[in-house]
Amino acid sequence: EDQVTQSPEALRLQEGESSSLNCSYTVSGLRGLFWYRQDPGKGPEFLFTLYSAGEEKEKERLKATLTKKESFLHITAPKPEDSATYLCADDFKTNTDKLIFGTGTRLQVFP
Amino acid sequence: DADVTQTPRNRITKTGKRIMLECSQTKGHDRMYWYRQDPGLGLRLIYYSFDVKDINKGEISDGYSVSRQAQAKFSLSLESAIPNQTALYFCATGEGAPTYEQYFGPGTRLTVT
Repeated sequence: EDQVTQSPEALRLQEGESSSLNCSYTVSGLRGLFWYRQDPGKGPEFLFTLYSAGEEKEKERLKATLTKKESFLHITAPKPEDSATYLCADDFKTNTDKLIFGTGTRLQVFP
Repeated sequence: DADVTQTPRNRITKTGKRIMLECSQTKGHDRMYWYRQDPGLGLRLIYYSFDVKDINKGEISDGYSVSRQAQAKFSLSLESAIPNQTALYFCATGEGAPTYEQYFGPGTRLTVT
């Protein structure tokens, strides 16, 4: 059974202190690995899709990378406005769009 | 105006009542989804639809039903609400290939007492 595990559950950073969030998945045959950002009281907002091991994508201070078993979301020099819950999800080669979400990493960045 | 809207945004109802959550989208996507989010469990897929005539069960469909009234409208019903259906419910639309990106609504907070 597919599982998506995110770590850590919560992360507190000082502004400017770079770090990484981890997302690991258990089933092979990945079609896509997705990262979303969720602010309190709002729906998730799409960030990235990664399709193959070695792929990297960047957006502002965020960079997502993918290996055969896990994905990392690197946050470089974070700012308080980067505080949010970051969700990853995977989808497999079944054309069903059945995304399996992890429970998220709650990031807090302090000035 | 928001691309994906959900009504109501908050609802408190009693056990055994029938309730409908509505979702509308202006993105022109064929794919639409209903998820629920519970603390510690993440987002779980309830139903999804690839077009008006194509509706599929997701991970946790028991106790729920859906109706796709038009390309832009997808409703979720709880026929007889129970307390463990208390959760945050999200509607989403999807682009399909190649990005499979999904766009989420603002959510409906449902409490069943």
